Amino acid sequence: DAGVIQSPRHEVTEMGQEVTLRCKPISGHNSLFWYRQTMMRGLELLIYFNNNVPIDDSGMPEDRFSAKMPNASFSTLKIQPSEPRDSAVYFCASSLGRSQPQHFGDGTRLSIL
Amino acid sequence: QKEVEQNSGPLSVPEGAIASLNCTYSDRGSQSFFWYRQYSGKSPELIMFIYSNGDKEDGRFTAQLNKASQYVSLLIRDSQPSDSATYLCAVNPAGQGGKLIFGQGTELSVKP
Repeated sequence: DAGVIQSPRHEVTEMGQEVTLRCKPISGHNSLFWYRQTMMRGLELLIYFNNNVPIDDSGMPEDRFSAKMPNASFSTLKIQPSEPRDSAVYFCASSLGRSQPQHFGDGTRLSIL
Repeated sequence: QKEVEQNSGPLSVPEGAIASLNCTYSDRGSQSFFWYRQYSGKSPELIMFIYSNGDKEDGRFTAQLNKASQYVSLLIRDSQPSDSATYLCAVNPAGQGGKLIFGQGTELSVKP
């Protein structure tokens, strides 16, 4: 079975550019989560969706960050404009339900120069 | 006080020994508890989950939950060098839907 699929795997871009990260959850999973991982702050939840609806975006750091889930099989996390402090690994995870085990994608390693 | 606390380690154990990883949490109403393994440069991989007080065993892994004391632990029996990784404890606080709070992780090193 296909797991959570994220793209791109790596992204290097200059400060000020728009960055779009993509995620395809596991088929049948109705909850989707976006995380950011850094050495300093560990793994932090940015936002999560249930049945394509954003439920909790309290972890989104600033208005520069936005996330959408137009359908059950696709989500995006956008940063505009990007800043060097946004450099991190961004993970997408999905689960069968809100409190069910979450399964992670391989992540996107983002570097903002 | 951090919501989920783990000893950062590194925890070093010899091959074949039992590795014991501990995690405490602050929200007494938390209902769901998860252990993830993360190899360097890789994504977190689900190892165990537990919802009820007591022990839950899966192969060489045992998760232990004590809600009264607000701790959850992971035991790895017959530790192997391939178990060397960072282990992340995650807790689903009460009333927060699917939100997981992760600890900082414990680095485990199993020496041959």
